[in-house]
Amino acid sequence: EAGVAQSPRYKIIEKRQSVAFWCNPISGHATLYWYQQILGQGPKLLIQFQNNGVVDDSQLPKDRFSAERLKGVDSTLKIQPAKLEDSAVYLCASRTGQSTDTQYFGPGTRLTVL
Amino acid sequence: SQQGEEDPQALSIQEGENATMNCSYKTSINNLQWYRQNSGRGLVHLILIRSNEREKHSGRLRVTLDTSKKSSSLLITASRAADTASYFCATALFTGANSKLTFGKGITLSVRP
Repeated sequence: EAGVAQSPRYKIIEKRQSVAFWCNPISGHATLYWYQQILGQGPKLLIQFQNNGVVDDSQLPKDRFSAERLKGVDSTLKIQPAKLEDSAVYLCASRTGQSTDTQYFGPGTRLTVL
Repeated sequence: SQQGEEDPQALSIQEGENATMNCSYKTSINNLQWYRQNSGRGLVHLILIRSNEREKHSGRLRVTLDTSKKSSSLLITASRAADTASYFCATALFTGANSKLTFGKGITLSVRP
């Protein structure tokens, strides 16, 4: 079974530029999460989708971050414009629709904002 | 804010020794999970313990949960150099079909060959 795929793996941009990350969850997984992990810290949830609907986006900085999950499969996370403090690893995770199931994480995208 | 707080922040041991990592949390949970993260990689799920369980084993891993003290411990027995990684505890809270994980800051484990 293929795991969670993310691209790109690394991205370097200048501040005020925009950037987009892509995630392809495990086939059949209804729930998809985006996390931000700043160096030296644990992952922080940004947004959770159930199929193509948003379940929780309370910690998403909506003035600059946006995410979508069209057709309930792939998802993209966008930052526009980027700030220096957005430098982090962005992790995508997925699980089945059952709340008791574990989350499976992708390898992440390491973003550096200069 | 992050609920889980791991202790110690860093741990260095010799190969073959046991490694014990602790996690404390603040609010009610449905389960507690431990993850491993190798440098530059994503998180790998290690073990899950439900709120009505007290101890669980998986291979060289042993996890305990004390809900009265709101704490958990992860024991890795007979450590190997390949166990070198960051370890995170994450508390899970269910609301209907929704499950939200809250991670701690992590413990850096170094196993010396």
